Amino acid sequence: QSVLTQPPSASDTPGQRVTISCSGSSSNIGSNSVFWYQQFPGTAPKLLIYRNNQRPSGVPDRFSGSKSGTSASLAISGLRSEDEADYYCAAWDDTLSGWVFGGGTKLTVL
Amino acid sequence: QVQLVESGGGVVQPGTSLRLSCAASGFTLSSYAMHWVRQAPGKGLEWVALISFDGSNHYYAESVKGRFTISRDNSKNILCLQMGSLRAEDTAVYYCARDRSGWPPEYFDYWGQGTLVTVSS
Repeated sequence: QSVLTQPPSASDTPGQRVTISCSGSSSNIGSNSVFWYQQFPGTAPKLLIYRNNQRPSGVPDRFSGSKSGTSASLAISGLRSEDEADYYCAAWDDTLSGWVFGGGTKLTVL
Repeated sequence: QVQLVESGGGVVQPGTSLRLSCAASGFTLSSYAMHWVRQAPGKGLEWVALISFDGSNHYYAESVKGRFTISRDNSKNILCLQMGSLRAEDTAVYYCARDRSGWPPEYFDYWGQGTLVTVSS
């Protein structure tokens, strides 16, 4: 059971907008920044969003992040087939004194 | 460019030990905190351990506390994870990841390709 809660799957058709949620608590998302990672099968995760809503250089602006209270979300607009991947949220947890991840969301582009 | 190359994985029996290494290049290791993150087959990511830029601070996940030790040799650009009393549930791909900061930690900005550890009798 992951400390952060994500839906196990999400899907939509090309061109559409999909949102992936990440729910936590006051000790993690409620008091610290949220980060999102993208992972393709058999490869290492890659930073997608940092500090809730910032994109590293090279990440398309189709990807956006937001945070409110103890929840966060990742939105992908103009969905493309190459966006099919697993997406993980992460945050520092003050109570655990460590990083916690969501269980991951497998995105399927139909 | 930043490169992190893990090594040392393999098949080991329960109760034994194993030492993982991560060779860093393309940046000054001594300026950054470093992490180990693992991923069991078909499962999600689990943070394992964190060490500050100078090795003076360490944090561990509850699942490995007392069994694993993270260390670094900045002069050799190497990060290590000494794993003891290994259990079947420690079976995973182990990634080393760089933190964006030296201290306090901020987030994982670069990851290695991982090394597989299988604990099985």
